[in-house]
Amino acid sequence: AQSVTQLDSQVPVFEEAPVELRCNYSSSVSVYLFWYVQYPNQGLQLLLKYLSGSTLVESINGFEAEFNKSQTSFHLRKPSVHISDTAEYFCAVILQGAQKLVFGQGTRLTINP
Amino acid sequence: NAGVTQTPKFRVLKTGQSMTLLCAQDMNHEYMYWYRQDPGMGLRLIHYSVGEGTTAKGEVPDGYNVSRLKKQNFLLGLESAAPSQTSVYFCASSPRTEYNEQFFGPGTRLTVL
Repeated sequence: AQSVTQLDSQVPVFEEAPVELRCNYSSSVSVYLFWYVQYPNQGLQLLLKYLSGSTLVESINGFEAEFNKSQTSFHLRKPSVHISDTAEYFCAVILQGAQKLVFGQGTRLTINP
Repeated sequence: NAGVTQTPKFRVLKTGQSMTLLCAQDMNHEYMYWYRQDPGMGLRLIHYSVGEGTTAKGEVPDGYNVSRLKKQNFLLGLESAAPSQTSVYFCASSPRTEYNEQFFGPGTRLTVL
């Protein structure tokens, strides 16, 4: 069965510092990968996704994630964070043709001024 | 478009009481899902539906029932609430595609005393 591991439950960083949120998955077949963001007291919103093609995918607010098939990873990065990036971030994976996403346990990103 | 809406936003129940959470989507999506979110545990799938009149069990179905009588609505029922069901409940929907991108509602915060 597939699984998703987010290696850090909490990541505190200073404003304008770079950040990396780590995500590893286990699957023996092809998958699609997602990062969702949950701002305080809100539902989840799709941040970015990897379906095929270029292994580097970007969001509109400066985040990027790189699909690494050999390391089964899909780490999320941002070169300079802002206070407004404070949120919980979830990595998720789905097998091609499957009906259910599998979520990681989330990483809480806290930005300190 | 309203997207995915959930009713109610907040609810407090006493142990043994029953209630129904309503999820509605106006995107004509085939698939709908109910999750619960608890601290440190990410999102766990309760039940899901791949079409009108169909339902299936997810990861944590015990104590919950669901119905999908209309394509746009997905109901989650608690017949006899227990304190262990205190959680935030999220509904999601997705179109029937190969990669199943899910769209989430704003959540329902349920407390069982």
